Amino acid sequence: GAVVSQHPSRVICKSGTSVKIECRSLDFQATTMFWYRQFPKKSLMLMATSNEGSKATYEQGVEKDKFLINHASLTLSTLTVTSAHPEDSSFYICSARRPERIEAFFGQGTRLTVV
Amino acid sequence: DAKTTQPNSMESNEEEPVHLPCNHSTISGTDYIHWYRQLPSQGPEYVIHGLTSNVNNRMASLAIAEDRKSSTLILHRATLRDAAVYYCIRGKGTSGTYKYIFGTGTRLKVLA
Repeated sequence: GAVVSQHPSRVICKSGTSVKIECRSLDFQATTMFWYRQFPKKSLMLMATSNEGSKATYEQGVEKDKFLINHASLTLSTLTVTSAHPEDSSFYICSARRPERIEAFFGQGTRLTVV
Repeated sequence: DAKTTQPNSMESNEEEPVHLPCNHSTISGTDYIHWYRQLPSQGPEYVIHGLTSNVNNRMASLAIAEDRKSSTLILHRATLRDAAVYYCIRGKGTSGTYKYIFGTGTRLKVLA
């Protein structure tokens, strides 16, 4: 399978600050990347879909000004949580897909704790 | 609704086969069925996917009903390492808009 890497795997930040999470496809070019969040013992919730060179498409109810997504290259997408608050604490997971394949591959996730 | 329906939990004995069911009654003709599994504090791991025909790979088999409204993931011999939450996902959209909508998943417990 293909390798998708997230960084950092764990981050603690103060309330009001911004946090950037990186998602890289290590051995393939990903024209489409996805960002999810997951609360404890819950399923993954799709936040947004980003295509390289285009603006991200956000799911209903996800604030695009709070969760900034950039997909500037075929191997890197970033999620920035702006003005983080304790309720933003969650497990954030990215995934990436090759254009010619139907399956997506997931990163290992980033545990964000806002204090 | 694009989400799938799965039992919340299942148990299996080690070394025995496991059949994990999934309902996707509103699936359309071009939607793929994907299965992923997730261990605690990790990202989901790809298991298998299919469209119409049954599929086999080194991890599992996927049996898809003729009307495509349901499918079953088959683990031929469960091991303790197979204990995880298994998600049946309906892939929706076309190439540039294709996305994976997760349902609630089935928590598989494997008994030694």
